[in-house]
Amino acid sequence: KAGVTQTPRYLIKTRGQQVTLSCSPISGHRSVSWYQQTPGQGLQFLFEYFSETQRNKGNFPGRFSGRQFSNSRSEMNVSTLELGDSALYLCASSFSGISGNTIYFGEGSWLTVV
Amino acid sequence: SQQGEEDPQALSIQEGENATMNCSYKTSINNLQWYRQNSGRGLVHLILIRSNEREKHSGRLRVTLDTSKKSSSLLITASRAADTASYFCAEGSQGNLIFGKGTKLSVKP
Repeated sequence: KAGVTQTPRYLIKTRGQQVTLSCSPISGHRSVSWYQQTPGQGLQFLFEYFSETQRNKGNFPGRFSGRQFSNSRSEMNVSTLELGDSALYLCASSFSGISGNTIYFGEGSWLTVV
Repeated sequence: SQQGEEDPQALSIQEGENATMNCSYKTSINNLQWYRQNSGRGLVHLILIRSNEREKHSGRLRVTLDTSKKSSSLLITASRAADTASYFCAEGSQGNLIFGKGTKLSVKP
């Protein structure tokens, strides 16, 4: 069974640009969530999608957005990039997202903003 | 916000020794998950322990949970150089999984 797949793995963007990251969950998983990891703030929850609906959202500005497609694949978008957005962005999937489900992570997308 | 706090922040041991990492959390939980992260890589799920479980094993890993003390520990026995990584505990559901800052384990050959 394939794991959580994230693309691209590495990318460099310029301040002010926007970026779209993609995530394919494990087959059969309907809950997909996104996390940002930085040395200073650690791992922080961005948002979670289930059946194409955003079910939960973390404390991030509106520049961070996402969506989920009918096949459960998800994308997140960051607009008007700032230097502080440089981070490892991790996607996670689980069967239903409820407490008790094992949550699996992808390898992440390394974003560098210059 | 950080729910769990891992202790110690860094741990350096020799191959073959056991490594123990602790995690404390603030509020009541339904379950706790432990993850490993190799440098620059994604998170690898290790063990999920539910609030009604006290101990769980997986290979060389043993996780304990003490809900009265709001703490959990991860024991890696007979450590190997390949165990060098950061280890995180996390509480919550997919809707908001809250991580501690992690313990950085270094296993020297």
